[in-house]
Amino acid sequence: GDSVTQMEGPVTLSEEAFLTINCTYTATGYPSLFWYVQYPGEGLQLLLKATKADDKGSNKGFEATYRKETTSFHLEKGSVQVSDSAVYFCALQYSGGGADGLTFGKGTHLIIQP
Amino acid sequence: KAGVTQTPRYLIKTRGQQVTLSCSPISGHRSVSWYQQTPGQGLQFLFEYFSETQRNKGNFPGRFSGRQFSNSRSEMNVSTLELGDSALYLCASSLLRNTEAFFGQGTRLTVV
Repeated sequence: GDSVTQMEGPVTLSEEAFLTINCTYTATGYPSLFWYVQYPGEGLQLLLKATKADDKGSNKGFEATYRKETTSFHLEKGSVQVSDSAVYFCALQYSGGGADGLTFGKGTHLIIQP
Repeated sequence: KAGVTQTPRYLIKTRGQQVTLSCSPISGHRSVSWYQQTPGQGLQFLFEYFSETQRNKGNFPGRFSGRQFSNSRSEMNVSTLELGDSALYLCASSLLRNTEAFFGQGTRLTVV
């Protein structure tokens, strides 16, 4: 079946450091890919998405590129802030009917120190 | 525009009891999905409702059930609660099936 693998962390960085959170996937078809963020005590917020190979999703300084050849969707940010501390989830989903919702990775806990 | 509303936010139940959780989707959204989040298993898909019909179900026992009303509001029910059902239950609404999902804040269920 389909699956998503990501580093679980915690990942600890200093403010203004460069961030990379790796995400790879296994899929039988051609899913859309997502990054969600979860702040303490909250639900999930969509951070960015890409719907086909070579698409780049971006939002709030975060970027990720859908790489079909390496089945990856790594999340990057050039300069992190303390407010970026949260848990980040990589996920995939097929469009159209018949699919089983979002398939999530285990989540990566990111801690940014001042 | 109001977001996805889940009630209650916190719940404590005893083993063997049953529980009902509620989810009000974003106005105009017709698809509601439910997910269970635990430290051990992460986020797992429970089921999806669209137009008052269950369209898909994840790998959960029959004790987990749900329904959707004509106004798209959804409820999920867990019967004969077990300690392992303690989790954060998240509801997500989408305009149509498998389009962008917007999540509620979740209901944290503790079974004692």
